[in-house]
Amino acid sequence: DAKTTQPTSMDCAEGRAANLPCNHSTISGNEYVYWYRQIHSQGPQYIIHGLKNNETNEMASLIITEDRKSSTLILPHATLRDTAVYYCIPIQGAQKLVFGQGTRLTINP
Amino acid sequence: GAVVSQHPSWVICKSGTSVKIECRSLDFQATTMFWYRQFPKQSLMLMATSNEGSKATYEQGVEKDKFLINHASLTLSTLTVTSAHPEDSSFYICSAREGRANYGYTFGSGTRLTVV
Repeated sequence: DAKTTQPTSMDCAEGRAANLPCNHSTISGNEYVYWYRQIHSQGPQYIIHGLKNNETNEMASLIITEDRKSSTLILPHATLRDTAVYYCIPIQGAQKLVFGQGTRLTINP
Repeated sequence: GAVVSQHPSWVICKSGTSVKIECRSLDFQATTMFWYRQFPKQSLMLMATSNEGSKATYEQGVEKDKFLINHASLTLSTLTVTSAHPEDSSFYICSAREGRANYGYTFGSGTRLTVV
């Protein structure tokens, strides 16, 4: 499984874009990059995933570098409810999901 | 979208007793479910992979006789914490994956277990 490196914590002002980086330099060609988040005392929530093209959905955008060694999750207009721990996880097929330490994102009013 | 229901959301039990946690996929069939444990201020730790109709696969260091997993149908997996002790107090979370390739994993809302 590819190893990931994420900042331990980040702060962002409410209403601004939150950009969360993830380094996954050992990612293999068949591994997708998944992003999940966990709000305090809840189960993780799926946000978005991608292989090599940039992706956008109603929650976020995912930018993957051309060499696929890193990616950035973008929350375009962060709200207080986006305060959570965000996890970047490379995974292939039906592999088990293994969580790293993630980034604790705090949205400040 | 895919929904996973986990029950109970919290439970308090006495030391030495057993506790069963249920995980149901409500609108899809899940041949594989996963069980995680999370201690305060820590990340989720995968405990075991639950396979419908066969034995669960446990991660290294997880006692299979203490954490019994049963996956008797395509929509239900159960985790039983046997002879619970205070150190088993934790947040237990299940997840399931819909069959479509690369769709993603859906998580239950978690069970807060407190052993007194």
